Order: sequence, then structure tokens, then C-alpha cells
Amino acid sequence: GQQVMQIPQYQHVQEGEDFTTYCNSSTTLSNIQWYKQRPGGHPVFLIQLVKSGEVKKQKRLTFQFGEAKKNSSLHITATQTTDVGTYFCAGIDAGGTSYGKLTFGQGTILTVHP
Amino acid sequence: DAGITQSPRYKITETGRQVTLMCHQTWSHSYMFWYRQDLGHGLRLIYYSAAADITDKGEVPDGYVVSRSKTENFPLTLESATRSQTSVYFCASSRELNYNEQFFGPGTRLTVL
Repeated sequence: GQQVMQIPQYQHVQEGEDFTTYCNSSTTLSNIQWYKQRPGGHPVFLIQLVKSGEVKKQKRLTFQFGEAKKNSSLHITATQTTDVGTYFCAGIDAGGTSYGKLTFGQGTILTVHP
Repeated sequence: DAGITQSPRYKITETGRQVTLMCHQTWSHSYMFWYRQDLGHGLRLIYYSAAADITDKGEVPDGYVVSRSKTENFPLTLESATRSQTSVYFCASSRELNYNEQFFGPGTRLTVL
């Protein structure tokens, strides 16, 4: 079945440093979503990417969808302590085997040291 | 605006007992989902529902039962709880299946002793 791998599993940064998490799918995706989960909280939708090569920005966050629609990345510029949490990517298999259901990556846990 | 709620928020039970986790949403979303979250595994789909009386299995359905008699409710039942079902359970909803964000409830932390 479809697998979505996310690396790294953990990332510790000093406040002000940049951070990137990568997401790779075993199959071509129709779209990919990113979610953030604060410690003790629930996942919250950040963004969705649909087009090949798409790049979207939200303030200090930059999201990219690969040309082959099998990988994606989230980059945070100049991290702040409010960025702490787990970042998940989630994709839908373009081949239809997942029947439109999201498959989540394992998540990247980000800690930011002030 | 209540959104999506889950109850109980915390539950401790014993092996072999039946447990039901409740999920309620006020948006009239068609789709509802149950996920479990375990360290190193991310979120794994247990069951989902496209509408009242329509449910289907996800990635890890064994040991769980769902029902959806009303659009707004989607209870998850562990028929005979096992220690491996100790986890955090999230309910989610969305308007459509494709190209729609999912809204998650606050979660239920379940411990099976």
C-alpha cells in the first residue's frame, strides 16, 4: 500500500535557525496537506498543495510540492519558540488505491531552544 | 461554535473490557474519520464514514467497530480492549473526501491496563 515517509523524525534548533522537514511518498500523489500539532494538542491544517512544482508561502513557512508529485517539503525561516510542535505531511494517492483517504507521514518533532 | 468534540478526554480501562469513544461535530460535514496516534507511527486511519450509515475500514481496523446513525456522531467501540490499543485517538471531519482539510477533535487518551 501507499507509504509516506517523513524525515527527520526529530529536529532540535536554536531560536533563529532555519528548519526543514521532508516528505516522500511511495506513489504519486494527487495532493498533499501539511498539519501542525502543538504539544498536547490536536493536528491543525496548515496548507494544501495540488500542482506539480507548486510553492506556497505563509509568513516564515514555505511549502513545496515536487515536480513528480511524490515529495514535498516544509521550510521554516528563523524559527521562533511558537514553532514548537510536530509537523505532519499527508497525501492522497493519485492512483486511487486509497480512495481519497489521507495517508500521514510519521511527523517531525521540532523543538526550539530560546 | 462547538466544532468537533470528543469524549471522554481521558480513559483508563482494563484488558477485555468494552470501551466506546464518542465524537460529535456541529458542521454537518459528510466525512468523519477515526485515527490513532502512536509515537513513530504518525496518524493511522482506523475507520472512516462518508455519510450516515456508510462506513469503511482504514489502515488499522482490527479490534474496532464504528457506527454512524446520525451525521453528527461517529462513535468508536473497542469490543474487547487490549494493551496494544493504548493510544491517543483523534476524530476528524471534512466536507468532502478529496482536496479538503480535515478538522480534528481534541483527542482521547486511552490507557488499557
